[in-house]
Amino acid sequence: GAVVSQHPSWVICKSGTSVKIECRSLDFQATTMFWYRQFPKQSLMLMATSNEGSKATYEQGVEKDKFLINHASLTLSTLTVTSAHPEDSSFYICSAPTGTSGTNYEQYFGPGTRLTVT
Amino acid sequence: KQEVTQIPAALSVPEGENLVLNCSFTDSAIYNLQWFRQDPGKGLTSLLLIQSSQREQTSGRLNASLDKSSGRSTLYIAASQPGDSATYLCAVAFQGAQKLVFGQGTRLTINP
Repeated sequence: GAVVSQHPSWVICKSGTSVKIECRSLDFQATTMFWYRQFPKQSLMLMATSNEGSKATYEQGVEKDKFLINHASLTLSTLTVTSAHPEDSSFYICSAPTGTSGTNYEQYFGPGTRLTVT
Repeated sequence: KQEVTQIPAALSVPEGENLVLNCSFTDSAIYNLQWFRQDPGKGLTSLLLIQSSQREQTSGRLNASLDKSSGRSTLYIAASQPGDSATYLCAVAFQGAQKLVFGQGTRLTINP
């Protein structure tokens, strides 16, 4: 099956600093990738849809200036948490679909990045 | 609004029992439905993917069914083992959108 990687898997940063998280599709190209956030004992919440070569689409309530998304190539999307605060501490997971919407469509998930802001 | 609901939120059963996890969704116009497993502090592991044209999928002791007309899916786990303890998530790809909508998950504990 397709493989999606994330880096780093775990990061600690101080309040006010920025952190970049990478999401890579290792053996397939993805024009679209998705970024999710998960708080402890809760389900995944979609933050934004990353589109290669164009602006990301953010879900309602997600600050686009705080969570910067760049999809510079067909295999890489990055999420930068700017001016991080302790409330940004969470588990961030990316996914990338193979195929287009329809019967050949399946999403593959990265292993996640745990961000702790002190 | 397209929503996915999972019941129960938590389930604890003795080892060896067969069990069923439930997932319901509000719109029958879907591309597919996926069941995932998530261990504490870990990412998602895809268990089964059911396309909209399918009724069920099987993998080992797992069987997932799909009834689009009623907006329901079930995940059946046979002969449960302590290693099955995890959170199980149901996610639906609704037509017209590429994103997945997740249920809140069922936290499963299998007691030895």
